[in-house]
Order: sequence, then structure tokens, then C-alpha cells
Amino acid sequence: TQLLEQSPQFLSIQEGENLTVYCNSSSVFSSLQWYRQEPGEGPVLLVTVVTGGEVKKLKRLTFQFGDARKDSSLHITAAQPGDTGLYLCAVNFGNEKLTFGTGTRLTIIP
Amino acid sequence: GAVVSQHPSRVICKSGTSVKIECRSLDFQATTMFWYRQFPKQSLMLMATSNEGSKATYEQGVEKDKFLINHASLTLSTLTVTSAHPEDSSFYICSASPMDYGYTFGSGTRLTVV
Repeated sequence: TQLLEQSPQFLSIQEGENLTVYCNSSSVFSSLQWYRQEPGEGPVLLVTVVTGGEVKKLKRLTFQFGDARKDSSLHITAAQPGDTGLYLCAVNFGNEKLTFGTGTRLTIIP
Repeated sequence: GAVVSQHPSRVICKSGTSVKIECRSLDFQATTMFWYRQFPKQSLMLMATSNEGSKATYEQGVEKDKFLINHASLTLSTLTVTSAHPEDSSFYICSASPMDYGYTFGSGTRLTVV
């Protein structure tokens, strides 16, 4: 079974703080996606990273793809209550199926 | 663009009955759709791949006779949970992959079996 391990599993921090979420695997990926899911909704795509070492920024969110393309991180600066949600990394292992990571449930406390 | 509509958003059914969930691609054609299941506080687990005009392919451990999938057109896939039991209660999500867009997801169906 090919696994995507995310850490931490749960994270609760105060508004205004910074945080980093990690997504790791022993496999090499051609690309990796990050999604955010809010309760009762489907996941929404945040970003796709495709190049080893790539860094993408989306306002206060910074996504990095590891040089070896086996891992990725999501850094949020000055977290806001609206950032609360389930963050999921996901990859396509070459068979068109999208496999999700174990997820990080983030809660930002006002 | 690239919207996937899922219906119903919530359903409560009695144990032993069947429930059908619809997944529609609104502005694109989808020869392949995917069905996921999500338990509380957990990630999404792929159940099956729905193929237009042919049989669905199921992931290991998913009962094909319990979770019937039909993909009769390029814009509609349905998942029928047959003889539902309380342990089938979950959040079911479909997705499709429009060309050059990645994956887009429906808003999910909360199934509660009582």
C-alpha cells in the first residue's frame, strides 16, 4: 500500500501564529496537490506542485515540493480563523487515481 | 467551470433499504469518475472508479455488490448503497477530472442509516 503520511494529525493554534504541515512518503511523485476541506463539503484544490524544489505561494500559504519529490510542506503565515479546516495532500500514483494523505485537521483559535 | 454536482447532500434511511447518490459533471464530460468514502475525522478513501459505458473498478476490500456503481452517460455516475446498515453511515464524495484541470469534487453526501 502506498501511503502519504501527514503530520501533525491535529493542530490547534492561536490566530496570528505561523504553522507548517508536512506530507511524506517513500515514493517519488511526478506531482502533488494540496486540498482544503471544510466540514460537510468536498475538498477544494489549493495548489499543484510538479517540480522538485518548487515553491508556490498563495497569499499567506507557501507550498514546497521536496527536491527528491517524495515530500511536501504547507506553511501558513499569520493564521486566521478562516484557515480552519482539514488539509489534505494528494498524489496520482500513475494510475489516474488520486490518493489522499492522512490529513491534518487545523483549528485556528480567535 | 469544471463543476461537479452531487445529490442528495444529506440522506437518512432505514436499515435494510437502498440509497442512490448521484454525481453529475455540469460543464464537462467525464468518462471516469471516482467515489470516495470519508469517516469522521479521517481522510478520504477511494472506493471505486466509475467508467462510462463499462464496469466500475473497485478498490480492495470494497464490496461491489453492496456499492453498485452505474456510469450510463458522460455526465452522470450513480452510487447505490444496497441493503444499508448503520456501519455504512459515512460521508460519500465523488470527483471527476476535467481535461487539464486536475480533480474537482462534489460537495458530498452525508448518509445516516438508522
